[in-house]
Amino acid sequence: EAGVAQSPRYKIIEKRQSVAFWCNPISGHATLYWYQQILGQGPKLLIQFQNNGVVDDSQLPKDRFSAERLKGVDSTLKIQPAKLEDSAVYLCASSSRDSYRGSGTDTQYFGPGTRLTVL
Amino acid sequence: GIQVEQSPPDLILQEGANSTLRCNFSDSVNNLQWFHQNPWGQLINLFYIPSGTKQNGRLSATTVATERYSLLYISSSQTTDSGVYFCAVDPSGGSNYKLTFGKGTLLTVNP
Repeated sequence: EAGVAQSPRYKIIEKRQSVAFWCNPISGHATLYWYQQILGQGPKLLIQFQNNGVVDDSQLPKDRFSAERLKGVDSTLKIQPAKLEDSAVYLCASSSRDSYRGSGTDTQYFGPGTRLTVL
Repeated sequence: GIQVEQSPPDLILQEGANSTLRCNFSDSVNNLQWFHQNPWGQLINLFYIPSGTKQNGRLSATTVATERYSLLYISSSQTTDSGVYFCAVDPSGGSNYKLTFGKGTLLTVNP
């Protein structure tokens, strides 16, 4: 079974530029998460999707961050415009939990992450 | 929100030594997972353990849900065990199945 795929692995941009990250979850996983991990800290949830709907985006800075999962499979996370403090690793995770169907498990599986540096 | 505290923050071991990592949490939980983040940044699932005890090779974990803590045991440590160990929890009563992470324990195993 293929794991969670993310691209690009690394990205360097200047402040005020825009950037987009892509994630393809494990096949069949209904729930997809985007996390931000700043150096020396644990990951922090930005947004959670179930299929193509947003479940939780309470910690997403909506003035500059956006995310979508249009077909309920892969997802993109965008930052526009980027700030210096957005330098971090952006992690995508998925789980088979489907709360609408009452099925699946809560175990989350993570991709390799995208390391963003904003100069 | 729920608070997750991990200890110790840093740990240095000689190869072959045993260690115990602790995770305290401030509320009852539906989900508790231990992860290992390797030096390349990949987060790897170790255990899904909201309660009870599990073992996988040299690693084992115990969660005492009533006392709100979990322990991760590493026996006969190897240099490849180096990295950051995270505990993450999903509080009971929540309906979103989202994880809150602790700050991690940085483990260094020297040859």
